[in-house]
Amino acid sequence: TQLLEQSPQFLSIQEGENLTVYCNSSSVFSSLQWYRQEPGEGPVLLVTVVTGGEVKKLKRLTFQFGDARKDSSLHITAAQTGDTGLYLCAGARYGTSYDKVIFGPGTSLSVIP
Amino acid sequence: GAGVSQSPSNKVTEKGKDVELRCDPISGHTALYWYRQSLGQGLEFLIYFQGNSAPDKSGLPSDRFSAERTGGSVSTLTIQRTQQEDSAVYLCASSPDGGSAGELFFGEGSRLTVL
Repeated sequence: TQLLEQSPQFLSIQEGENLTVYCNSSSVFSSLQWYRQEPGEGPVLLVTVVTGGEVKKLKRLTFQFGDARKDSSLHITAAQTGDTGLYLCAGARYGTSYDKVIFGPGTSLSVIP
Repeated sequence: GAGVSQSPSNKVTEKGKDVELRCDPISGHTALYWYRQSLGQGLEFLIYFQGNSAPDKSGLPSDRFSAERTGGSVSTLTIQRTQQEDSAVYLCASSPDGGSAGELFFGEGSRLTVL
């Protein structure tokens, strides 16, 4: 059972387009993180969202945490080729006795010049 | 070094052999995680250490897998009698005590290929 689901699984867009990827769960999370992973490297943390309804912006990337803290979205404005990579959401489930951090299956983004 | 260091970066082994994968976390980080990632897939949780203790080993796929951490620092993941389905990238991550849960710093991984 996948505790964190992501959609779409694959996304190929032209440079300059906007896109949104989603991370969903039936469980409540104390926080959610978004990571980006490039081939041959480990994931790199982009952002953490903690409060329900929170919106964070990182240059052209906008992250939102759902009011119920069960879902999150990542919106990229005017995508660039450098945005290409695997986007992973992750979180520690609310109420767990320790920080077991689980990951979603990822969205593979390809930005075509 | 400043980041999480993993070795070897690549390992090719024959089915049935044992392998050891090493992780050097960022100095002072008390939490250490092992994940497994198959080609193009997400990360599968294997085990978590807080200090030298592993509160949850339920992610280990079978009893052929074991992990230890010594001195609250270096960790070793051992796979005995490797099988072809063990082929994957094994990622290690660490996080500081007091940091936000889920904020992990990853190494570049150890790519294991079992022939």
